[in-house]
Amino acid sequence: SAVISQKPSRDICQRGTSLTIQCQVDSQVTMMFWYRQQPGQSLTLIATANQGSEATYESGFVIDKFPISRPNLTFSTLTVSNMSPEDSSIYLCSVVSGSYSYNEQFFGPGTRLTVL
Amino acid sequence: GNSVTQMEGPVTLSEEAFLTINCTYTATGYPSLFWYVQYPGEGLQLLLKATKADDKGSNKGFEATYRKETTSFHLEKGSVQVSDSAVYFCALSRNQFYFGTGTSLTVIP
Repeated sequence: SAVISQKPSRDICQRGTSLTIQCQVDSQVTMMFWYRQQPGQSLTLIATANQGSEATYESGFVIDKFPISRPNLTFSTLTVSNMSPEDSSIYLCSVVSGSYSYNEQFFGPGTRLTVL
Repeated sequence: GNSVTQMEGPVTLSEEAFLTINCTYTATGYPSLFWYVQYPGEGLQLLLKATKADDKGSNKGFEATYRKETTSFHLEKGSVQVSDSAVYFCALSRNQFYFGTGTSLTVIP
């Protein structure tokens, strides 16, 4: 299993500012993922972050808006840039163990972001 | 493509009632199937999983059987408790994870 922590746990930000969310894992993992969970909705994958390479973004998400760093095998950051109220969501970091398809995905506790 | 369709909520049950949350999927090949639970104010936790047809996942009194013929993975529990109040997500894994929209369950004493 993997234990994941995220900072901050929640924040209230002003429109136009940026927030960087940190994700720390207690073991080395190859693939880390960032999800967005908008109020009352399911999870939407933002990007996959692999150590040593550029993050891979899903349709509808771009690097300028959500830059990601992955400096080592236990840590990643997601920045939400130039925020607007539509960015108010829970942002979740996750990792998978072992073979991608057959093992579970572990989630951090999430960062609850409110943009005013 | 790959997708998960989940029973819409919210669902409200009395304590000790029987629970079913329906989940059907569309996938190429043979995905793994999961149920995740999200308690208020917390992240997602794996509840149970099944990796091949006819497998039954079970945990904490919850069960779900991987039915290839009906492409379903319905979640069941024989007697729910107040502590089961949470949002439940069905998911499949096929190159990446795909999540259903979530079903909110409230159990009242």
